[in-house]
Amino acid sequence: EPEVTQTPSHQVTQMGQEVILRCVPISNHLYFYWYRQILGQKVEFLVSFYNNEISEKSEIFDDQFSVERPDGSNFTLKIRSTKLEDSAMYFCAATRDSNQPQHFGDGTRLSIL
Amino acid sequence: GIQVEQSPPDLILQEGANSTLRCNFSDSVNNLQWFHQNPWGQLINLFYIPSGTKQNGRLSATTVATERYSLLYISSSQTTDSGVYFCAVPLNTGFQKLVFGTGTRLLVSP
Repeated sequence: EPEVTQTPSHQVTQMGQEVILRCVPISNHLYFYWYRQILGQKVEFLVSFYNNEISEKSEIFDDQFSVERPDGSNFTLKIRSTKLEDSAMYFCAATRDSNQPQHFGDGTRLSIL
Repeated sequence: GIQVEQSPPDLILQEGANSTLRCNFSDSVNNLQWFHQNPWGQLINLFYIPSGTKQNGRLSATTVATERYSLLYISSSQTTDSGVYFCAVPLNTGFQKLVFGTGTRLLVSP
């Protein structure tokens, strides 16, 4: 069983539409993260989440973004009104302890048209 | 914030050759991860190596935390080793978000 499962693997959306990216970590993970990688660039931190609240967010994570863990298993990233520059690979990561390795999902490739 | 630099940026190898990838970081860290990003974009966790040396098959990694660098060794390279290799270190505040290096793009030709 993979440590972290992400869906969908690829999402194509019209500019201005809302998207929700989903992540399911295995049950004993307590710390959750979203990262983003624009094509050809390095991976950048977006947000961390612990105990049902955001613990830290980057300057990229503006009011268009939100995260939640609605049911104790899914961890979602919502982009309210997508822009062309939101096109990227989005990775979810999770860990049991903040001093342990982070386990990454396979990513969702988001393409905004 | 912490800076993470990797070298070389690009590397082309013949199948069977050995290589060493380097990761330098500008501040002390309490752990370090190496990843391989395959051609499909997946990030594969290779090593979690705060210090010392670890080996996994043809790959090994060494971190010298006091000197702020880590090395990834690939021996007898195969075409499936192609991709981008990233190191990542946690920011030593709060919830240890990872700061990724600039990556080394490796192409192994048959």
